[in-house]
Amino acid sequence: KAGVTQTPRYLIKTRGQQVTLSCSPISGHRSVSWYQQTPGQGLQFLFEYFSETQRNKGNFPGRFSGRQFSNSRSEMNVSTLELGDSALYLCASSTGQGPYEQYFGPGTRLTVT
Amino acid sequence: GDSVTQMEGPVTLSEEAFLTINCTYTATGYPSLFWYVQYPGEGLQLLLKATKADDKGSNKGFEATYRKETTSFHLEKGSVQVSDSAVYFCALRGSNYKLTFGKGTLLTVNP
Repeated sequence: KAGVTQTPRYLIKTRGQQVTLSCSPISGHRSVSWYQQTPGQGLQFLFEYFSETQRNKGNFPGRFSGRQFSNSRSEMNVSTLELGDSALYLCASSTGQGPYEQYFGPGTRLTVT
Repeated sequence: GDSVTQMEGPVTLSEEAFLTINCTYTATGYPSLFWYVQYPGEGLQLLLKATKADDKGSNKGFEATYRKETTSFHLEKGSVQVSDSAVYFCALRGSNYKLTFGKGTLLTVNP
């Protein structure tokens, strides 16, 4: 079974621009969660989508948004990029039910200059 | 809210030494507990899990026991290898479905 894939793997953007990251979950998984990883703040939860609906949301500003498509693929968008948005963005896939475990993709490394 | 506290390290050991990484948690109800490992330049890999009190998760020589009375889930390995060098994260999943992570512990194993 193929694992979680994220595209692109690396991205460099300029402050003020917007960016869209993509995540394809494991086949059959209906939940996709997004996390931001930085050296200072560690791993922080952004949001979770389950069956195309946002089920949970972390404490990030509205510049961070996401969506999930009918095939469970998910996108995350960050508008008006700030230098502090530079991070590794990880997506995790799970069945979304029961005591499920989350399987992580390799991440997208975003650098904002 | 839910929280996870783990020893931040870094932890440096010699090959074949015994490893313990402490993890305690705060959560309402009965969370599921996990240990994840992150190798340089990679995403997180699930190492082991426990879903109820007294469960012992184990994988690749690593073990952790869900202790509800002490709200702990300490990671142990009897004999570490150089290939175990990585960052280890303790995490819990509460009733709201999201994972809450500790800050991670960098482990370096020297030959």
